[in-house]
Amino acid sequence: QQPVQSPQAVILREGEDAVINCSSSKALYSVHWYRQKHGEAPVFLMILLKGGEQKGHDKISASFNEKKQQSSLYLTASQLSYSGTYFCGTENQGGKLIFGQGTELSVKP
Amino acid sequence: EAGVAQSPRYKIIEKRQSVAFWCNPISGHATLYWYQQILGQGPKLLIQFQNNGVVDDSQLPKDRFSAERLKGVDSTLKIQPAKLEDSAVYLCASSLFGGPQHFGDGTRLSIL
Repeated sequence: QQPVQSPQAVILREGEDAVINCSSSKALYSVHWYRQKHGEAPVFLMILLKGGEQKGHDKISASFNEKKQQSSLYLTASQLSYSGTYFCGTENQGGKLIFGQGTELSVKP
Repeated sequence: EAGVAQSPRYKIIEKRQSVAFWCNPISGHATLYWYQQILGQGPKLLIQFQNNGVVDDSQLPKDRFSAERLKGVDSTLKIQPAKLEDSAVYLCASSLFGGPQHFGDGTRLSIL
């Protein structure tokens, strides 16, 4: 079952914050986050393995609520380089990663 | 370290023709994945290998797609015969026994 991401698209000005949500109808083992720029390969951002785990580096962080079967990606003080499509990938105990449909983020000067 | 290598980068064929893609994963990565990404969608897993064994191929259209990973290193994905709906980017990724996946640049396939 494909996870549902929201919003589908968001436009920000440099310095603004954004939250991208990822929800699954099935129990999750882990959640992966990737960013893909146009015409390029997806690039790994972070993986969350435990319920309630939060991770972050630079000004991008994420949380994982195992009970609610959802994860959120937080982008703080956005930069032009943050533009791209963000995908969450949810993994069940079978080890298979299923990607959401993506959230397109555009950061304007 | 060298990343995941894929070739060719672009391929244009006519429907009903055959095509093959090649992938060389990051050295030491036991798990190799092939994904199909249609424009505007997330990557869809076609097949997952653990060394040279298949872990999951439930979404591989086996009547036309085949993949192999001989010797547990590089891999090829073949489509024969191609259909118009196969137009997509084919991504190869590798990882160390699960965990973060590292993607190659992909092969952009256009079917005429």
